[in-house]
Amino acid sequence: AQSVSQHNHHVILSEAASLELGCNYSYGGTVNLFWYVQYPGQHLQLLLKYFSGDPLVKGIKGFEAEFIKSKFSFNLRKPSVQWSDTAEYFCAVKSAYNTDKLIFGTGTRLQVFP
Amino acid sequence: GAVVSQHPSWVICKSGTSVKIECRSLDFQATTMFWYRQFPKQSLMLMATSNEGSKATYEQGVEKDKFLINHASLTLSTLTVTSAHPEDSSFYICSARWVGRSYEQYFGPGTRLTVT
Repeated sequence: AQSVSQHNHHVILSEAASLELGCNYSYGGTVNLFWYVQYPGQHLQLLLKYFSGDPLVKGIKGFEAEFIKSKFSFNLRKPSVQWSDTAEYFCAVKSAYNTDKLIFGTGTRLQVFP
Repeated sequence: GAVVSQHPSWVICKSGTSVKIECRSLDFQATTMFWYRQFPKQSLMLMATSNEGSKATYEQGVEKDKFLINHASLTLSTLTVTSAHPEDSSFYICSARWVGRSYEQYFGPGTRLTVT
């Protein structure tokens, strides 16, 4: 079965530090990959997505992610975090067998301190 | 655009009773809506896919007679938890897929259900 692993469960950073959140998936075929963010008390929002083409994807709020097919990875990065980036981050992959089904990782809680 | 609402945001009910959760797409039409369940510190697990005007498709292990889903219009889907038990306490999140944007799902804020 397809799965998504997020290795960092809780990350604590100071403002201006660089961020990289790991995401690995278990499927060797064509995938669509997503990063969602959930700010405290708010709904899930799409940060960025990868369907095809340039493996370096830029999203909103200065986030980017790189799809590395050989490593089955789709890590999220931001060069300089802000306090407002404090949130829960979820990586997700769209099932190749079910075009509707999104498979989510367990999430990474990011806390940024001023 | 692409706003999804859920009502209620928080509900407490007694064991054995039923509770209905609504999911609405406020500014777009959604032929497909999805219901997820999220346990603390865990991932979102898809429960079922709801298509307007037809029966929902449930994921393996989800009791369709316990979690009744109705998608009567292009902007409304409901999830009814019947004969609720304390183990049904969870965070329920819906999402909606905008017609014409085939791969994007827009998420509601979630509903916290507590069964006492």
